[in-house]
Amino acid sequence: DTGVSQDPRHKITKRGQNVTFRCDPISEHNRLYWYRQTLGQGPEFLTYFQNEAQLEKSRLLSDRFSAERPKGSFSTLEIQRTEQGDSAMYLCASSSSLSGRETQYFGPGTRLLVL
Amino acid sequence: AQTVTQSQPEMSVQEAETVTLSCTYDTSENNYYLFWYKQPPSRQMILVIRQEAYKQQNATENRFSVNFQKAAKSFSLKISDSQLGDTAMYFCASTLSTGTASKLTFGTGTRLQVTL
Repeated sequence: DTGVSQDPRHKITKRGQNVTFRCDPISEHNRLYWYRQTLGQGPEFLTYFQNEAQLEKSRLLSDRFSAERPKGSFSTLEIQRTEQGDSAMYLCASSSSLSGRETQYFGPGTRLLVL
Repeated sequence: AQTVTQSQPEMSVQEAETVTLSCTYDTSENNYYLFWYKQPPSRQMILVIRQEAYKQQNATENRFSVNFQKAAKSFSLKISDSQLGDTAMYFCASTLSTGTASKLTFGTGTRLQVTL
């Protein structure tokens, strides 16, 4: 068990550019979540997947955001036409429905800075 | 909708002392889970302790324990014998117990500083 991994760990981009982040969950976990955390705040839910199905999207997830989990394993989060307000830490978490424990384990996050 | 409130933005405790972090929540559901997560400076979120709402017994994990008051919707974290490594942001969070995946709702966090 190598834990949840995220890539890249840091990303600096210019306003208007597109960025894509990757999350690899714990291998046996079928549930995957994306959260956004701004400085000094708790994480806020963006979206989640059970296997390859995207089950819920937050109103925070504007049309510029899209997430995929094509084979029910890793997931990508893409932000198109980035804005300065997108600057935040993007966290990925995973859990297993089989455990019945509803415990989410987090990755180290991708810190995005939009200039 | 669930809400989670942490009313203590910052707290300080001396090494080896005990500290209690407060958390209240609001939900109309009967089945849910409560968590405390720890986020050290520039490091990732780590699960500290979890509590199932249907269990009356308070959860404990070594030096960490909770005081779960379901009727009052209160879920405080007690850290005994505080250590310098306990310095971190602590987030209280809740999630529903459902058949499908369920999002976590977080509080705004309490920054804990453990001093010598």
